[in-house]
Amino acid sequence: GNSVTQMEGPVTLSEEAFLTINCTYTATGYPSLFWYVQYPGEGLQLLLKATKADDKGSNKGFEATYRKETTSFHLEKGSVQVSDSAVYFCALSDHGGGADGLTFGKGTHLIIQP
Amino acid sequence: DAGVIQSPRHEVTEMGQEVTLRCKPISGHNSLFWYRQTMMRGLELLIYFNNNVPIDDSGMPEDRFSAKMPNASFSTLKIQPSEPRDSAVYFCASSLGVPGGSTEAFFGQGTRLTVV
Repeated sequence: GNSVTQMEGPVTLSEEAFLTINCTYTATGYPSLFWYVQYPGEGLQLLLKATKADDKGSNKGFEATYRKETTSFHLEKGSVQVSDSAVYFCALSDHGGGADGLTFGKGTHLIIQP
Repeated sequence: DAGVIQSPRHEVTEMGQEVTLRCKPISGHNSLFWYRQTMMRGLELLIYFNNNVPIDDSGMPEDRFSAKMPNASFSTLKIQPSEPRDSAVYFCASSLGVPGGSTEAFFGQGTRLTVV
């Protein structure tokens, strides 16, 4: 079955630090990969996605590259801000005959200190 | 579009009572998902519908849980009877799925359920 493993949190960084949140996956076939972000008290929002190997998703200064050879989709940002404090979820979705559910990692709580 | 709309935002109920959570997906989306989020287990897919038909309910914990989607613009998740261990945040999400294509799910703000 499908699974997503991401680094445990919380991850605490100072403002302007470099961020990496690791994510690896196991899937049958060729999944699409996603990063979602959840701010306190809110639902999940799509941050970025990649649909095939070597694709790079990017948004709001965050980037992640779909690495099929290492089954990874690590999230990076060069300089984090306090407003980036949130829980980040890596997820995958199989291609198929129709829509199917996302498989999520357990989430990484990111805390950015001023 | 207003996005995925869930109600209520918060629900506190006594053990043994029936609880009904409601979801209105984004207009035009053909897939709807119910997720449960807890500290211990993270985000779990409970059930999903495609074109109003339940496709996979293997994540539904037990017979106390049931979900319906009577039309393309409304779904319910019912727990009867509720138990304290059902306390969690329940999210509804919708997407436009196409054959062989990637899916992007849009989430509601969730319903925080507390069973005392």
